[in-house]
Amino acid sequence: SQQGEEDPQALSIQEGENATMNCSYKTSINNLQWYRQNSGRGLVHLILIRSNEREKHSGRLRVTLDTSKKSSSLLITASRAADTASYFCATDAGGGGSNYKLTFGKGTLLTVNP
Amino acid sequence: GAGVSQTPSNKVTEKGKYVELRCDPISGHTALYWYRQSLGQGPEFLIYFQGTGAADDSGLPNDRFFAVRPEGSVSTLKIQRTERGDSAVYLCASSPPVSDTQYFGPGTRLTVL
Repeated sequence: SQQGEEDPQALSIQEGENATMNCSYKTSINNLQWYRQNSGRGLVHLILIRSNEREKHSGRLRVTLDTSKKSSSLLITASRAADTASYFCATDAGGGGSNYKLTFGKGTLLTVNP
Repeated sequence: GAGVSQTPSNKVTEKGKYVELRCDPISGHTALYWYRQSLGQGPEFLIYFQGTGAADDSGLPNDRFFAVRPEGSVSTLKIQRTERGDSAVYLCASSPPVSDTQYFGPGTRLTVL
C-alpha cells in the first residue's frame, strides 16, 4: 500500500514562477525524501528531511515537514524549463522500523513552460 | 564519480522466458536496493542487500523473482517464467554506510510480450 501521496497529480506553470507540491503520508517516519524523475527513468535525490526537522533548504528548493499533520511540501522557487519532471516523496518505516525501505507516492508531474 | 549503472537499459522478452538484470552500485556503497516502477506509479520496493546478504526480500512479488549479490558489489535480479505483468522499469539504488540517502541508477525497462 502507498504511504505517501503527492498533490497535485499535475502542475503546469510559467518559467520564473514558484511551484509547490505536497505530500501526505499515513504512519510515523524517520525521514522523508524528495526525488525528481525525468522521462520515467532514474530518480535523482533532491533532499532528505528528518522527522525532528521542520524545514530544510537546498538552492532553489525548500522542504517543510509537519509530522503532526503527516505532510510535507516541496517548494521550487524561480522555476526553469529544466525543472520539468515528475517529483516523488518517499518515506521510510518509522517508529523503530527500517530506514531503508522507501515507500513512494504516485508523484506530481511538473511542467514549466518557457 | 560514476553513479549507479544498470544493464541492459532495455530488455524485450517473450512470455515464459528467463531474464537477468544487472546493477553496478557506486563504489564503496554497502547497501543495494531493487525497486520496480509500473507506468504512472511510484517505485515499489523489492529487495534490500546489506553486503552480500539479502536483509529484506519482502517486496519480491513471488518466487519467480530472485536476486543475488555474491561479492557485495554487483547485483543481479533474476526473473523466471516472465509474465506480461512483469513489464516495468526495474530500478536499482545504492547507499554508502551510515546513510539514508539512496542513489538510483537509470533503470532497466523490461517489456514482456
